[in-house]
Amino acid sequence: DTGVSQDPRHKITKRGQNVTFRCDPISEHNRLYWYRQTLGQGPEFLTYFQNEAQLEKSRLLSDRFSAERPKGSFSTLEIQRTEQGDSAMYLCASSFSDRGEETQYFGPGTRLLVL
Amino acid sequence: SQQGEEDPQALSIQEGENATMNCSYKTSINNLQWYRQNSGRGLVHLILIRSNEREKHSGRLRVTLDTSKKSSSLLITASRAADTASYFCATDGIQGAQKLVFGQGTRLTINP
Repeated sequence: DTGVSQDPRHKITKRGQNVTFRCDPISEHNRLYWYRQTLGQGPEFLTYFQNEAQLEKSRLLSDRFSAERPKGSFSTLEIQRTEQGDSAMYLCASSFSDRGEETQYFGPGTRLLVL
Repeated sequence: SQQGEEDPQALSIQEGENATMNCSYKTSINNLQWYRQNSGRGLVHLILIRSNEREKHSGRLRVTLDTSKKSSSLLITASRAADTASYFCATDGIQGAQKLVFGQGTRLTINP
């Protein structure tokens, strides 16, 4: 079991550029989540997928953000026209839903810095 | 917005002492989980406690849950330098809401 992986681990970009992050969940997990964490705060939910269906999106997810999970395996999170306020750690988690007890396993995160 | 708060925000103790962190939340929950995060890294799952459980143990960890007070505590016994990290509680809601709602975390420092 290789765990949840994320790529890249770090990204520095200029304001206005687009960025895309990738998450590879644990292979048998059917749920995949994206969270954002700013310095000194706990993670905040962005969106989640069950298989390939995107079932919930936070109000934090503005129209500049889009997430996909095309084949129910890996997922991508794209931010268009980045702003300095987008600087944060973006965390991916996966889980296997099973009768109400669900542990989410997190990846190492992608740290984004928008200059 | 955050579900609740951890208390204290920061805790510094000597190696070998016990560390207790508290978490409060606002809405009814299905499960409550505790995670650890080392500086700048991802979260590591520590323990999950269901809403119908009152206490759970895992190694040096002891978690309690009081749903009437909407609070939980995490006790780490015989602390080690490697326990230095931030600790977060996270709740998932009832009615199938699967997202985790995190507190702001407790920054724990274990002094050798």
